[in-house]
Amino acid sequence: DIHLTQSPGSLSASTGDRLTITCRASDDIGISLNWYHQRPGRAPNLLIHSASSLLSGVPSRLSASGSGTDFSLTITNLQPDDFGTYFCQQSHSVPRTFGQGTTVAIK
Amino acid sequence: QVQLVQSGAEVKKPGASVKVSCKASGYVFSTFDINWVRQAPGHGPEWMGSMYPDSDLLDLSENFQDRLNMSTDSSMNTAYMELTSLTSDDTAVYYCTRGARRGSYCFDLWGQGSLVTVSS
Repeated sequence: DIHLTQSPGSLSASTGDRLTITCRASDDIGISLNWYHQRPGRAPNLLIHSASSLLSGVPSRLSASGSGTDFSLTITNLQPDDFGTYFCQQSHSVPRTFGQGTTVAIK
Repeated sequence: QVQLVQSGAEVKKPGASVKVSCKASGYVFSTFDINWVRQAPGHGPEWMGSMYPDSDLLDLSENFQDRLNMSTDSSMNTAYMELTSLTSDDTAVYYCTRGARRGSYCFDLWGQGSLVTVSS
């Protein structure tokens, strides 16, 4: 199984801040990496597929990059809607595993 | 409206089985995989398995090989997930998700979740 390790596990930030979340895969997954955002009590929501492709409607303040084993998600000008938990997920092979999540809290 | 609507919360005793339904609307049900993902309290999501409607094509996580049954009814645009031999470790929110091939394979549509509580 491919294991995904996210860092940090949690962070506190203020509106307007810039932050970066990283996701490291235990094996080469090419660009088969997706990012999701989850608010408490809600289902995860797909933000980015194929390591760097933003879904329609996702604000350009979000960007993502990476390939192979190292990936990152960056959010600039943090807004109230951005708080919650972010998960990476690999689709290179079955089982389709998720990272443990990074929780972004309001400072 | 494109959506997946799941059945309600369930409380089960250890050893029992639970069956969750997932009704799709707003898209052609038979052209996308349905995946099942669960999330235990305070944990990240865990992929359980996927199947292509009206086919024998399925993938299963080894963690659920002997206990997970997935099925679909295309006449009702509905997918089902049955988990047997429940233990307290199966207490979680269970989601159905649509598998889409947007470059990488991803979960682009989620149901609202069905809370399954296993307690004696």
